[in-house]
Amino acid sequence: AQTVTQSQPEMSVQEAETVTLSCTYDTSESDYYLFWYKQPPSRQMILVIRQEAYKQQNATENRFSVNFQKAAKSFSLKISDSQLGDAAMYFCAYRTPAGGTSYGKLTFGQGTILTVHP
Amino acid sequence: NAGVTQTPKFQVLKTGQSMTLQCAQDMNHNSMYWYRQDPGMGLRLIYYSASEGTTDKGEVPNGYNVSRLNKREFSLRLESAAPSQTSVYFCAARTGASYSYNEQFFGPGTRLTVL
Repeated sequence: AQTVTQSQPEMSVQEAETVTLSCTYDTSESDYYLFWYKQPPSRQMILVIRQEAYKQQNATENRFSVNFQKAAKSFSLKISDSQLGDAAMYFCAYRTPAGGTSYGKLTFGQGTILTVHP
Repeated sequence: NAGVTQTPKFQVLKTGQSMTLQCAQDMNHNSMYWYRQDPGMGLRLIYYSASEGTTDKGEVPNGYNVSRLNKREFSLRLESAAPSQTSVYFCAARTGASYSYNEQFFGPGTRLTVL
């Protein structure tokens, strides 16, 4: 079974600075997808960024980028120029392709609470 | 489009009571999911439905039942609520296209407290 581990229960950053959230995963699959979700106090789950395992290039979405190390099974999220609105719980998630029996099920890490200081 | 909607948003039950959490999506997605979120444990899959008419157990199915009423609706039932089922429940929907990284879209969640 796949597992996802976020070893940082809490992180903090000053506004406009950069912060990196860590995520490691365990899988025997060669093809899979990785995601970072943001959960603000409203509880709504919001997709931040996603990465396909077969792509060597790291995904980037505006101020958000990932460092995907497939051999090390590591998938960290870097937030640049942090803003007060980035304060939230962040979840790393893993998914195998929807074919076969997995049907797109997500396996989540424990979450990291990010605090942004003005 | 409302996306994924859940009712109710909050609920308090007494041990042994039953209730059904409702979920509906207007995105015409094939697959739907129920997760629970507990502190320090992330979201864990309870049940999922790959397509209309099918349901399967996830990681933590004990104490729950589900019904995929039609393509739009996927309900979660607690037959005899227990304090261990106090949690936040999320419904999600996703297009069922194979080998696609299409994301899951989540509802706003239901906070359930069992006394």
